[in-house]
Amino acid sequence: DTGVSQDPRHKITKRGQNVTFRCDPISEHNRLYWYRQTLGQGPEFLTYFQNEAQLEKSRLLSDRFSAERPKGSFSTLEIQRTEQGDSAMYLCASSLQFTEAFFGQGTRLTVV
Amino acid sequence: DQQVKQNSPSLSVQEGRISILNCDYTNSMFDYFLWYKKYPAEGPTFLISISSIKDKNEDGRFTVFLNKSAKHLSLHIVPSQPGDSAVYFCAAIGIIQGAQKLVFGQGTRLTINP
Repeated sequence: DTGVSQDPRHKITKRGQNVTFRCDPISEHNRLYWYRQTLGQGPEFLTYFQNEAQLEKSRLLSDRFSAERPKGSFSTLEIQRTEQGDSAMYLCASSLQFTEAFFGQGTRLTVV
Repeated sequence: DQQVKQNSPSLSVQEGRISILNCDYTNSMFDYFLWYKKYPAEGPTFLISISSIKDKNEDGRFTVFLNKSAKHLSLHIVPSQPGDSAVYFCAAIGIIQGAQKLVFGQGTRLTINP
């Protein structure tokens, strides 16, 4: 399977715990994006990398959120001190150029 | 500030008929538009796109129309099939606050009835 893969698919955590999600983009894609989607809404932009450089961060990304793409390949998104409002589907996408972005299956986070 | 709007949260169409999903945008800097399809518990799947220099793009049963003067695009699916039942997102790419962004609408849930 050469598509975008995300791990885990589902995560249930207690409020206050830290969580980390991983995204493996399509191998030749140099752009990688993180989005968040809540029920009834379209995906909301969180952050974007070109190779290993984080070029853009949404104001939705509070200080508790951090994303890395250390070698310009896979990326991680960490949420510290999770809150119930963090419950959402976290989507990763990659693209070669800023045209079609291909999405992974997403990680469904539930904070209890 | 919703820059890409899908004003119909849901649409129900008879199998075999045409489904028309609509999308409006406000930012004239958008220059590339995409439609994604999403099943529950999965990520969005790219369907079809159109550049702002075109007014129509067709791929099999799917056709996207762009009316730049009205800042409106639509996705036509004909004939509609039960497997088309999903949430459809319109998205636009352009320069927003100095950086290129991919901005999504809220989605329209399409239900195809047998």
